[in-house]
Amino acid sequence: GIQVEQSPPDLILQEGANSTLRCNFSDSVNNLQWFHQNPWGQLINLFYIPSGTKQNGRLSATTVATERYSLLYISSSQTTDSGVYFCAGNSGGGADGLTFGKGTHLIIQP
Amino acid sequence: EAEVAQSPRYKITEKSQAVAFWCDPISGHATLYWYRQILGQGPELLVQFQDESVVDDSQLPKDRFSAERLKGVDSTLKIQPAELGDSAMYLCASSLGLAGGGEQFFGPGTRLTVL
Repeated sequence: GIQVEQSPPDLILQEGANSTLRCNFSDSVNNLQWFHQNPWGQLINLFYIPSGTKQNGRLSATTVATERYSLLYISSSQTTDSGVYFCAGNSGGGADGLTFGKGTHLIIQP
Repeated sequence: EAEVAQSPRYKITEKSQAVAFWCDPISGHATLYWYRQILGQGPELLVQFQDESVVDDSQLPKDRFSAERLKGVDSTLKIQPAELGDSAMYLCASSLGLAGGGEQFFGPGTRLTVL
């Protein structure tokens, strides 16, 4: 299966700052998703983005499938953006469970 | 809004006991997944169902774990006997099952503590 690497592992920013989280994957993907894990452990879907660019409010994501990476942008960070962000992908086919990266732990300080 | 339901939300048990977790996927989702997340790590797939059939259980510790989805809707994951190392968050997800997998949606999880 594919391997997923996320960077940076930890990020501490002041409220209002912008941030970029990166996800590299070892092979081509059919499915690429970004999640935010809330303090209670639930994974909240941010983007389903096997390729291209999407935006949702202050968040946007870009996947460059040919170069095997995806970026998550957070603008004008708020304290509620704190938490762990996961990137996950699969290479498609019948067995298509997601392979997750180790996550980026983001802390937004007031 | 349609959601994946899981119960219980929390479970504390002693080692060697049996535990079971339940998942009800989003209505109409043919594919159901169980993942395990150890503290500080990303989730890892345990088993995948397409309708009532197992598609992938290569990472399921079959000596103590079992999973079923008898009618192709809700699913149960069982551990017997539980071991200390099974303490983790157990997450259920579902997707429409389109070619290429489709977007997966996760439930709130069951946090298991084995004493």
